[in-house]
Amino acid sequence: GAVVSQHPSWVICKSGTSVKIECRSLDFQATTMFWYRQFPKQSLMLMATSNEGSKATYEQGVEKDKFLINHASLTLSTLTVTSAHPEDSSFYICSAPDQDREQYFGPGTRLTVT
Amino acid sequence: GNSVTQMEGPVTLSEEAFLTINCTYTATGYPSLFWYVQYPGEGLQLLLKATKADDKGSNKGFEATYRKETTSFHLEKGSVQVSDSAVYFCALMSGNQFYFGTGTSLTVIP
Repeated sequence: GAVVSQHPSWVICKSGTSVKIECRSLDFQATTMFWYRQFPKQSLMLMATSNEGSKATYEQGVEKDKFLINHASLTLSTLTVTSAHPEDSSFYICSAPDQDREQYFGPGTRLTVT
Repeated sequence: GNSVTQMEGPVTLSEEAFLTINCTYTATGYPSLFWYVQYPGEGLQLLLKATKADDKGSNKGFEATYRKETTSFHLEKGSVQVSDSAVYFCALMSGNQFYFGTGTSLTVIP
């Protein structure tokens, strides 16, 4: 079946630095990808919809200047957490639908900001 | 709007016990409904789904029936195993967007 990968699987960074997370669809093309964050013992919250070749659509309350999304190709979307702070520590998950609209989730990236 | 309300956990069961995790939804239109499972340290995995009313999704002994009249999609399993210990998320999809419940943590003890 289709696979979505994320890199890195975990990252620790210092407060004030920026971190880039990659989401790749490995055997299908995705014009749209979704980014979620998950706090401990809570559900996934949709952050933004990444659109290939155009600007991302952000959910209410998500700072677009802080969470930069780039969907540069049909198989790659990146999420950059700029000037990270400890409160940005979370589990970030991406997903992508294939041509049959079957949604596939990446394994997630755990970000810890110290 | 779209939302999913899921039974709060944590749930602890003995092996071979019957499992029910309640899920109800609010949606505009006709969503597809899903159950995802998240094992410790791993990402979400699709457990089962149903795309229209009265459909029953099933996988690995788990079942859920899309009930439009009660706007529910309760997850059931007749006999749980220790390996079923995980967090279970109910979700609906409208368009390409997913809306998740808060998750229910299940622990099965031998």
